Amino acid sequence: QVQLQESGPGLVKPSQTLSLTCTVSGGSISSGSYYWSWIRQPAGKGLEWIGRIYTSGSTNYNPSLKSRVTISVDTSKNQFSLKLSSVTAADTAVYYCARDRDAFDIWGQGTMVTVSS
Amino acid sequence: DIQMTQSPSSVSASVGDRVTITCRASQGISSWLAWYQQKPGKAPKLLIYAASSLQSGVPSRFSGSGSGTDFTLTISSLQPEDFATYYCQQANSFPPAFGGGTKVEIK
Repeated sequence: QVQLQESGPGLVKPSQTLSLTCTVSGGSISSGSYYWSWIRQPAGKGLEWIGRIYTSGSTNYNPSLKSRVTISVDTSKNQFSLKLSSVTAADTAVYYCARDRDAFDIWGQGTMVTVSS
Repeated sequence: DIQMTQSPSSVSASVGDRVTITCRASQGISSWLAWYQQKPGKAPKLLIYAASSLQSGVPSRFSGSGSGTDFTLTISSLQPEDFATYYCQQANSFPPAFGGGTKVEIK
């Protein structure tokens, strides 16, 4: 069955760029009519959708983060990636990748990213 | 943007109780609503999609209803493994948005 796994640095300095990768296993990222999304959750708080990508490369971003977010896909590696620039402490959160087709049906386990000097 | 409001924010219940959680959208979303369960330290798990469709593998004690702006998630007989936080999410319009969550606690 399809599984997702996030990877990337757990600590990022303020003003730098957060970079995470989600690796899809057990199936092709290109099969089926799915979007691939990033979602985050600050400690003790709710869920915030960051953005998504289709395997064609088309993207949608949350307007609240749009100026700082870039999501890309590498179908040859079965991966998609998140870059969030100019981070502050407010970007400290658990970051999840998820498969998306009208609902987020498969999630990665999440990776904690702390923004601190 | 569509805002999603859940109530209550927390509920205390006993094993075997019937629990109902409500979710209200700030504008009509037809049946484009999903429900998720999240346990501490874990990723959310999809329970219900399209307002009332049970995700594969989810116990039948979970059910969803509603359309337009008002939705409910019902757990017919609460089990020990159901103590968790539940989130609704609208998928009708961009951007997708989640409710604030409802924590189901042991009474």
